[in-house]
Amino acid sequence: GQQVMQIPQYQHVQEGEDFTTYCNSSTTLSNIQWYKQRPGGHPVFLIQLVKSGEVKKQKRLTFQFGEAKKNSSLHITATQTTDVGTYFCAGPSYNTDKLIFGTGTRLQVFP
Amino acid sequence: GAGVSQSPSNKVTEKGKDVELRCDPISGHTALYWYRQSLGQGLEFLIYFQGNSAPDKSGLPSDRFSAERTGGSVSTLTIQRTQQEDSAVYLCASSLVRGSNQPQHFGDGTRLSIL
Repeated sequence: GQQVMQIPQYQHVQEGEDFTTYCNSSTTLSNIQWYKQRPGGHPVFLIQLVKSGEVKKQKRLTFQFGEAKKNSSLHITATQTTDVGTYFCAGPSYNTDKLIFGTGTRLQVFP
Repeated sequence: GAGVSQSPSNKVTEKGKDVELRCDPISGHTALYWYRQSLGQGLEFLIYFQGNSAPDKSGLPSDRFSAERTGGSVSTLTIQRTQQEDSAVYLCASSLVRGSNQPQHFGDGTRLSIL
């Protein structure tokens, strides 16, 4: 079945270091969404990418959608302790309105 | 306005009991989703409601799980004869309209613990 995988599963960084999580789909996606879940919290929508090769920025966060629309990445520049949490990508399930969430990358930032 | 509201926030029950979890979506949102999240894991899709259409139940793990959405608003997820493996956080999300290109807005979840 359709799968959305993320790597790494877990990463810890020193505050100020950069961080990247990669999202890979087994199928071509019409769009990709990114969510952040703080520890003990619920997922919060961050952004959606639609176009092949699209790049969007939100302050220190840079989101990219691959040319083949099968992968995506989230890069955080100069991490802060407020960036701690799990980052999920999510793509549409083939021919339905459901989202398939990725396996998530848990980010820990040490001050 | 108010976000997605879920109740109870925590539920502890004995194995074999039935439980009901409630979700009140954002007013005006026509699509409603239920997910299950085990500790440290990703989101497992359970069921999806859209307006008056038949729900997509393809994610329900067994016939002990059922859900309904009355009046196109509040939804209830029912788990009968609970098992220990049902312990998880149950998250509800809503979106303005149907479509996998719609952002989903999540509630705080119900943390279910089966003793």
